Amino acid sequence: DIVMTQTPLSLSVTPGQPASLSCKSSESLLHYDGKTYLYWFLQKPGQSPQLLLYEVSSRFPGVPDRFSGSGSGTDFTLKISRVEAEDVGIYYCMQGIRPPWTFGQGTRVEI
Amino acid sequence: EVQVVESEGGLVKPGGSLRLSCATSGFTFSKFTMNWVRQAPGKGLEWVSSINNSSNDIQYADSVRGRFTISRDNAKNSVYLQMSSLGAEDTAMYYCAGEFELWGQGTLVTVSS
Repeated sequence: DIVMTQTPLSLSVTPGQPASLSCKSSESLLHYDGKTYLYWFLQKPGQSPQLLLYEVSSRFPGVPDRFSGSGSGTDFTLKISRVEAEDVGIYYCMQGIRPPWTFGQGTRVEI
Repeated sequence: EVQVVESEGGLVKPGGSLRLSCATSGFTFSKFTMNWVRQAPGKGLEWVSSINNSSNDIQYADSVRGRFTISRDNAKNSVYLQMSSLGAEDTAMYYCAGEFELWGQGTLVTVSS
């Protein structure tokens, strides 16, 4: 199984400041179709997960442009350009290149 | 409006069975791969099972293979998860998700005597 490792596990941020979250996979997530199957989700307190980014850097409709993703192969980063209070929660990365689809352990972001 | 609504979970005794349903509307269900993802209390997300749009590609996590069965009814815009031989380790919030884009609110399954 592909192991997803997120760092840090917890992050305290100041509103208006940037934040950077890391996700590493045990194997390359580059598919032979040329796409890289790395997803980012945010689970706000008491809510279901919501998709933020797919294929490393594509924002799901409705996701603010302060969220951006980058990376390739096995190393990926989610950046929040200016953190807002509503961004608190747990951020998960997930690989979608082959089953079993696996999630990272999550990064808790708090203000 | 997109809706993804899981049926009520509940309390099940160890070794027991339970069938979860997920009713959807507001999107073309027959084109979506559907997933079940669970989250044990205070823990992270764990993918459980997936079924593609035509039901000819079904996947299970090792932790549930042989005990859980996923199915779907495109005419009813619904996906199901039949769970058997339940143990305490299956206690979790179970989420239904379309293509990991569209998520339900989750339903709590508690396995306890």
